[in-house]
Amino acid sequence: KAGVTQTPRYLIKTRGQQVTLSCSPISGHRSVSWYQQTPGQGLQFLFEYFSETQRNKGNFPGRFSGRQFSNSRSEMNVSTLELGDSALYLCASSIGQRTDTQYFGPGTRLTVL
Amino acid sequence: TQLLEQSPQFLSIQEGENLTVYCNSSSVFSSLQWYRQEPGEGPVLLVTVVTGGEVKKLKRLTFQFGDARKDSSLHITAAQTGDTGLYLCAGVSLGNKLVFGAGTILRVKS
Repeated sequence: KAGVTQTPRYLIKTRGQQVTLSCSPISGHRSVSWYQQTPGQGLQFLFEYFSETQRNKGNFPGRFSGRQFSNSRSEMNVSTLELGDSALYLCASSIGQRTDTQYFGPGTRLTVL
Repeated sequence: TQLLEQSPQFLSIQEGENLTVYCNSSSVFSSLQWYRQEPGEGPVLLVTVVTGGEVKKLKRLTFQFGDARKDSSLHITAAQTGDTGLYLCAGVSLGNKLVFGAGTILRVKS
């Protein structure tokens, strides 16, 4: 069974731009969660989607948004990028709930200049 | 807010040495997960412990869940360079929320 895939793997943007990241979960998994990982803050939960609905949300500003499609694939968008948004963005899928075993993708490394 | 504190934050040891990583909280968790993340990759689940006092072994790795389900430890025997990575603990609260610790960076030198 194929693992979680994320595209692109690397991105370089400038301040003020917006970016869209994509995540394809493991087949049959309906829950997709997004995390931001930085050396200083560790792994921070962004949001979770289940059956195309946002089920949980972390403490991030409204510039961070996401959506999930009927095939469970998910995208997250960050608008008006700031230098502090530079991070590794990880997607994880699980069968039903975020507290179930999560399978992480390799992440997208975003650098904001 | 439930917090999981991991210690130490960074550990650099020689191959063959033993080490223990700790994950502590003042809150009770219904289960606790341990992940390892290698550079350039996402975290990979190593084990889930669910019963207070539970001990699980995965080859040279021994995981223990505290009796009160507020803390956990990961012990590695005879560390190898392949054990290098970031070790994360994550607790599932009684309210079914998932909380991650900040992680322990382990470097095993040959």
